[in-house]
Amino acid sequence: KAGVTQTPRYLIKTRGQQVTLSCSPISGHRSVSWYQQTPGQGLQFLFEYFSETQRNKGNFPGRFSGRQFSNSRSEMNVSTLELGDSALYLCACRVSGLYNEQFFGPGTRLTVL
Amino acid sequence: AQTVTQSQPEMSVQEAETVTLSCTYDTSESDYYLFWYKQPPSRQMILVIRQEAYKQQNATENRFSVNFQKAAKSFSLKISDSQLGDAAMYFCAYRSAPQGGSEKLVFGKGTKLTVNP
Repeated sequence: KAGVTQTPRYLIKTRGQQVTLSCSPISGHRSVSWYQQTPGQGLQFLFEYFSETQRNKGNFPGRFSGRQFSNSRSEMNVSTLELGDSALYLCACRVSGLYNEQFFGPGTRLTVL
Repeated sequence: AQTVTQSQPEMSVQEAETVTLSCTYDTSESDYYLFWYKQPPSRQMILVIRQEAYKQQNATENRFSVNFQKAAKSFSLKISDSQLGDAAMYFCAYRSAPQGGSEKLVFGKGTKLTVNP
């Protein structure tokens, strides 16, 4: 089966810039969640989309935003980048079933200089 | 809010031996799911095993099994016959159960497992 695709895999930006990350879930799956992973804070929930609607949002500043398209692809945007935004950004999609477990993409490594 | 605690930042095990990774959680909910995820150095997060809170029977997947103690809010992972490929970061995760609700996972900080040949 096809997996979760994230692009780009690596990204280097400078402070003050903005960035857009993309996630394409497993074909047919409508739920997409985003997580930020850093050595200090671990894995933190950013937001979740279902059928183009944001269903839940984590405790992140308004500089972090996202959206989902009708084909279930999702993007997250970070504006006015800060050094602390350097992280691995993971996208996960839900596989329908008893456990509704989530499958993760390979992540986008963002480095802010 | 739910929290997940993994008290062992690092663990090591000899190849072919057994190791147990600890996880405790805090919640006021009665129904929920618990998961163990593995993240090898390649970074792709892989689901290892899951447990539904209302099921008393501990989940097992080949060499991986859990010890789920609901009253103690404990969810440990046992890896039997450890293999070099088991070396990775292991994350314990919690998710509320209600159908149609959020899929948000709450993760522990992780345990780095080293497997020695």
